Amino acid sequence: NAGVTQTPKFRILKIGQSMTLQCAQDMNHNYMYWYRQDPGMGLKLIYYSVGAGITDKGEVPNGYNVSRSTTEDFPLRLELAAPSQTSVYFCASSYDASTYEQYFGPGTRLTVT
Amino acid sequence: KNQVEQSPQSLIILEGKNCTLQCNYTVSPFSNLRWYKQDTGRGPVSLTIMTFSENTKSNGRYTATLDADTKQSSLHITASQLSDSASYICVVRYSIKNSGGSNYKLTFGKGTLLTVNP
Repeated sequence: NAGVTQTPKFRILKIGQSMTLQCAQDMNHNYMYWYRQDPGMGLKLIYYSVGAGITDKGEVPNGYNVSRSTTEDFPLRLELAAPSQTSVYFCASSYDASTYEQYFGPGTRLTVT
Repeated sequence: KNQVEQSPQSLIILEGKNCTLQCNYTVSPFSNLRWYKQDTGRGPVSLTIMTFSENTKSNGRYTATLDADTKQSSLHITASQLSDSASYICVVRYSIKNSGGSNYKLTFGKGTLLTVNP
């Protein structure tokens, strides 16, 4: 049981490039989330999904897109990368929303220059 | 505005000593509060959850308290170890009402960075 996995661990992008951050979980969780964590700041929710085919915006969705074609995978797409998107990105999953314990992946550190 | 404030921002203690981390929140209506531990370069891991009716809950050397009246929580670490060096994040869940009924949101604190020195 690997839990929540994320790839890549590190990435450097040039301004205007695009990329997809991969996230997968093997716990059969319905809920999945993408967060960004900037230095000295709390985690901010980018997008979340309550099940395959259902996604919704969080606090800071601009510049990102997501899809959820399967229960296991929840990729995050960055289009036209900007320096403001330099951050550490965490994917998380939870079984339901009532207890709301989220299991986090190891993170992807992204630098846009 | 729904906010979670943690103090201190950072803390350095010697191995074997105790410490207490604070979390004050203004979110309403309160649903629950969770403490996470985040090791450097890793994702957060849940330590404990506090609901409205709970005052104290322990998880090994970690003891969390909640005062729902004053909207304060604390995390006490006893007999600290080097492995306790991490950021500790307070997360408060609150409900919001929309056209479909009730929904829930989370607000994350910025965390307290704890360093335990030998």
